[in-house]
Amino acid sequence: GESVGLHLPTLSVQEGDNSIINCAYSNSASDYFIWYKQESGKGPQFIIDIRSNMDKRQGQRVTVLLNKTVKHLSLQIAATQPGDSAVYFCAGKQGAQKLVFGQGTRLTINP
Amino acid sequence: DAGVIQSPRHEVTEMGQEVTLRCKPISGHDYLFWYRQTMMRGLELLIYFNNNVPIDDSGMPEDRFSAKMPNASFSTLKIQPSEPRDSAVYFCASSLSTSETQYFGPGTRLLVL
Repeated sequence: GESVGLHLPTLSVQEGDNSIINCAYSNSASDYFIWYKQESGKGPQFIIDIRSNMDKRQGQRVTVLLNKTVKHLSLQIAATQPGDSAVYFCAGKQGAQKLVFGQGTRLTINP
Repeated sequence: DAGVIQSPRHEVTEMGQEVTLRCKPISGHDYLFWYRQTMMRGLELLIYFNNNVPIDDSGMPEDRFSAKMPNASFSTLKIQPSEPRDSAVYFCASSLSTSETQYFGPGTRLLVL
């Protein structure tokens, strides 16, 4: 089955810098990946997704990169702001509609 | 538009008591998911429904856990009897069959004493 993991449990960046959060997956058959942001006391919130037929997808201040060769996924956040402080989860699709979530990376923004 | 609605937001109960968690998915969504989140195990899928029918309950930890979806706008997750190790945040999420994106509710924080 799918397992999804994060390289680092915590990440601290200076306000205004760019953040990169990494994720590895095991199932090469996964064709869909998604990033969620979870703020304290709230449910995970959709950020951006990508299908396996793409290498890169951009949103507002966020970019997701997919490297299928090494089964690696990353989330880049440009010009991080205090409101970006949260736990970020990657997830990969397993089966028709199931998502398998990684453990999460806690992003802290330093002023 | 209202998102996924869960109730109660917080629940404190004693070991052995029955606990019922409730979820209202986003209107029009035909998939509904129940997750449990703990520090040790992260976010785990317990069960999911498609058009009110349970599709995969392999994540349900024990027979003490049961879930129902009597109609398209309501689902319950019941724990009977509850145990301290059931303490966690329980999330409900919903999605459209045409999209893999799941939208999560605010969660129910359960503490079993």
